[in-house]
Amino acid sequence: ETGVTQTPRHLVMGMTNKKSLKCEQHLGHNAMYWYKQSAKKPLELMFVYNFKEQTENNSVPSRFSPECPNSSHLFLHLHTLQPEDSALYLCASSQGAGGGQETQYFGPGTRLLVL
Amino acid sequence: EDQVTQSPEALRLQEGESSSLNCSYTVSGLRGLFWYRQDPGKGPEFLFTLYSAGEEKEKERLKATLTKKESFLHITAPKPEDSATYLCAVQAVQGAQKLVFGQGTRLTINP
Repeated sequence: ETGVTQTPRHLVMGMTNKKSLKCEQHLGHNAMYWYKQSAKKPLELMFVYNFKEQTENNSVPSRFSPECPNSSHLFLHLHTLQPEDSALYLCASSQGAGGGQETQYFGPGTRLLVL
Repeated sequence: EDQVTQSPEALRLQEGESSSLNCSYTVSGLRGLFWYRQDPGKGPEFLFTLYSAGEEKEKERLKATLTKKESFLHITAPKPEDSATYLCAVQAVQGAQKLVFGQGTRLTINP
């Protein structure tokens, strides 16, 4: 595997379900991100992790719960979602620490549909 | 508040017909401006980073330029495989690692 991988690629869930999205980066990076891409809207940053520590939460509702067990893996736990949460969820990684101009590399995304 | 506006929203060109995409931005101190390409159902693919006004970068048929208020992505003699949505994003000096994205320009190249 190379780059940033995400599973599953597609997910359909009911509003009462609990599911998790997984992201893995194979680039040796230390920072990982979750973004949300809704139709007709720009990509929105959700969370930032540096060296496994959450450094930014962009006012995301608590029904989205991130987890970063190590610098290579990032999860997004989902529970009691709403239909408006249907979107493409993208994971990204970068070198880390945020001290310089860092390029973020994206995974293929998980297309989520909440019924 | 940092903001990015891309124009046009959609652009349809004939193969070989050169054009430019625009990214206007307002940011409290620019750390970097990024261009990505996104194909349907896929994640954004990194193209370029520009750091200061006057900088230019090229890759195959694409050339990105930067001024203090906007960036252009010039496409020379495009081919159908250049069809995609092109995203522009800025990173502010004060914004740590946060990227602020525009809505993108959907480019279609007809053979």
